[in-house]
Parts: sequence; structure tokens; C-alpha cells
Amino acid sequence: LAKTTQPISMDSYEGQEVNITCSHNNIATNDYITWYQQFPSQGPRFIIQGYKTKVTNEVASLFIPADRKSSTLSLPRVSLSDTAVYYCLVGARGGGFKTIFGAGTRLFVKA
Amino acid sequence: ETGVTQTPRHLVMGMTNKKSLKCEQHLGHNAMYWYKQSAKKPLELMFVYSLEERVENNSVPSRFSPECPNSSHLFLHLHTLQPEDSALYLCASSRGTDTDTQYFGPGTRLTVL
Repeated sequence: LAKTTQPISMDSYEGQEVNITCSHNNIATNDYITWYQQFPSQGPRFIIQGYKTKVTNEVASLFIPADRKSSTLSLPRVSLSDTAVYYCLVGARGGGFKTIFGAGTRLFVKA
Repeated sequence: ETGVTQTPRHLVMGMTNKKSLKCEQHLGHNAMYWYKQSAKKPLELMFVYSLEERVENNSVPSRFSPECPNSSHLFLHLHTLQPEDSALYLCASSRGTDTDTQYFGPGTRLTVL
């Protein structure tokens, strides 16, 4: 199973772009990279998923270099409501039961 | 709203009680999961059901007993729990076990006295 490493916490201010990087040196050829967001006392929520290069949706962008040993979640113009824990997962396309949630990155957005 | 509901949202129980957590998904998914999230710890996968058959049991103590009567409902029966079992219990579902995004319920906050 590919292990992921993320910063434990990050601080930002409203309106800034936030980039959270995840390392996954042992990623397998058929592994996808998935990011989830979790607010306190709620279940995680899917944000974005990618395999290589760049993926963008209405919430975030995901940048994946050619070697796929890391990935960066980019949140444009964060607001106070983006304060949450962000998890990077590597594994079967949707996560599946073989995917392990790590400790995540606690993002705190300040006014 | 993710299409996955859990009841109750909060539960306080003594160590000798028996209680059950309920999860229901309205997404037509075939796989359902139970996770445990203790304070400041990563999510721990407990059980996985695929098409009502248990496919994963992550060395969970027998005081936790899952039940999946159909693909839309999942229960977690609790008996003789310990205070260290206090946690947020999350249910999730997905279309399949390997290929699709998991959709999580809001969780049940369990406190064992």
C-alpha cells in the first residue's frame, strides 16, 4: 500500500491560494490520487481525484508531476469555511477498502 | 447531504449497555463501510460489506458486531464497550469496493462511560 506524507497543519488568510503537497514515493502504476475534506464532527467529503498532470473542478485543482511521487492540492482564494482537515489518499481509483486515510493536513484559514 | 444518513447522531452508553448504530444509503451503492475516528487520530477502517457480504474485518474486537441486511442498510451492534471505544463512528458507501468514491455519513458521536 502506498504511504502518503502531508504537512500536519497549515495556516492561511482569507482570499489567498493554498497549496497542500502530499508525498507518495511508492505509488503504483494503477494507483490514483484522491483528496478528501473533513470538517469537525462530519464525515470526509470527496474533493478531487487525478492520475497524472492536472485536474481542475469547481472546488480545487490537483497538480501531479510526471513521476507521480507527489501531488499538490490547490485551493484558490480560500475562505473561513475552508478550515478543515484535508486527506491525500493513494490507491484504487475511488479509494476502496484497501486505501488508508493518513493523519491529513489541518488547514486553518484566518480572517 | 451526501445521501448517507446515520442514527443516532450522538450516543452515550455505559459499559454494560447494548446499543446499535444505524446507517442508510440512498445512492444505490453496493458497498458499505464502518470507520472509527478517535480524537486526533486518522480514520480506521473497521468493516466493509460488498453486496451484503462482509469482505473486510480489520481485527476489530468482537464487542463490535456489524450487520448488513440489505445493500441499503448497515448496522453496528455494540455491547460491553470500553471507554477507549469513545469516538466518531462513520459510515460510508460506494458503488463498488475498488473503483468508486466513498460517500460518508455525518457520523455518530459515541461516548462510553
